[in-house]
Amino acid sequence: DTGVSQDPRHKITKRGQNVTFRCDPISEHNRLYWYRQTLGQGPEFLTYFQNEAQLEKSRLLSDRFSAERPKGSFSTLEIQRTEQGDSAMYLCASSSLDRGPGYTFGSGTRLTVV
Amino acid sequence: AQSVTQLGSHVSVSEGALVLLRCNYSSSVPPYLFWYVQYPNQGLQLLLKYTTGATLVKGINGFEAEFKKSETSFHLTKPSAHMSDAAEYFCAVSDQGYSTLTFGKGTMLLVSP
Repeated sequence: DTGVSQDPRHKITKRGQNVTFRCDPISEHNRLYWYRQTLGQGPEFLTYFQNEAQLEKSRLLSDRFSAERPKGSFSTLEIQRTEQGDSAMYLCASSSLDRGPGYTFGSGTRLTVV
Repeated sequence: AQSVTQLGSHVSVSEGALVLLRCNYSSSVPPYLFWYVQYPNQGLQLLLKYTTGATLVKGINGFEAEFKKSETSFHLTKPSAHMSDAAEYFCAVSDQGYSTLTFGKGTMLLVSP
């Protein structure tokens, strides 16, 4: 069990640029989640996948955001035309239906839009 | 819809003192409840969880929490605080399909010598 890996740890980008984050879940976990955490707040749900299927998307996930999980393994979260309000920590988590409720989180990607 | 309220954005204790972090939840279905800890610039680490069964749940690092359905509460306690406990703590709830977690806003625990 190598844990959930997220890359990069930090990203600084100029407003209007596109950014992409990667998440590698625990290998036997079939569910993968993305959350966003802004300063002073708890994490907020963005979207989740079961295997390669994206099963739920929050209304926080505007049309500038897109997430994929090809082949049910790693996932990417892309933000197009970034805005200053997108500055946040983006957290990935994974879980396994077979092992009961419990989510393992990665260390997150800190995005700063300048 | 589910929600979580954590009373107190900051809690200060002295080393060796009792830690009590409060969490109240709202859920239309029997909830699963979680406490996570977050250190600066890190992800979240699971402290403990309640799903079914025994309402007093023991977790890592000496923490425990008790599910009280009548009070819709899931408060986190530790008998004796340690300096290394200083961090932010999040309470979260999910439905039994555990598709998503709904988090509270967090409580920062400050431990003084």
